[in-house]
Amino acid sequence: GQQVMQIPQYQHVQEGEDFTTYCNSSTTLSNIQWYKQRPGGHPVFLIQLVKSGEVKKQKRLTFQFGEAKKNSSLHITATQTTDVGTYFCAGPNTNAGKSTFGDGTTLTVKP
Amino acid sequence: DGGITQSPKYLFRKEGQNVTLSCEQNLNHDAMYWYRQDPGQGLRLIYYSQIVNDFQKGDIAEGYSVSREKKESFPLTVTSAQKNPTAFYLCASSIVGGSGTGWSNEQFFGPGTRLTVL
Repeated sequence: GQQVMQIPQYQHVQEGEDFTTYCNSSTTLSNIQWYKQRPGGHPVFLIQLVKSGEVKKQKRLTFQFGEAKKNSSLHITATQTTDVGTYFCAGPNTNAGKSTFGDGTTLTVKP
Repeated sequence: DGGITQSPKYLFRKEGQNVTLSCEQNLNHDAMYWYRQDPGQGLRLIYYSQIVNDFQKGDIAEGYSVSREKKESFPLTVTSAQKNPTAFYLCASSIVGGSGTGWSNEQFFGPGTRLTVL
């Protein structure tokens, strides 16, 4: 069945270092979303990408959708302690009406 | 104040008891979802519903049941048949439809219920 894989599973960085998480789908995606879950919290929507090769920025966060629409990445420049949490990607499942979430990348930032 | 609510935040039950988790939304969303999250793990879909009086099994539906009698409400019952029910349960909602088939929409999550079965 359809799979959405994220790497790495965990990433520990020093504050100020950059961070990237990658999302790879076994099938072509119409669109992809990114969510952030703070420790002890619930996932919160960050952004949606739709077009092949699309790049969107939110302050220090840069999101990219691959040309083949099968992969995506989230890059954080100069991490801060407020960036800690788990970042999930999600894309439409081949069964209509539901999404497939990646397993997430958990980021910890050492001050 | 629009949003999605889940209650209670923490729930303790004895083994063998059924328990129902509440999920209510006032976002006028047609679709609602239930996920289970175990420590350090991703989101696993239990059940989802795209319209009132209709719902489908997700990837881990065994031991769970749902109902969708009202658009705003999608309660989840964790039955005694669920072998390992202790987990964090998240409810979400979204609009339905989009640009063609195979489209996923932004999901709005509730704060979650942490269920512990003793």
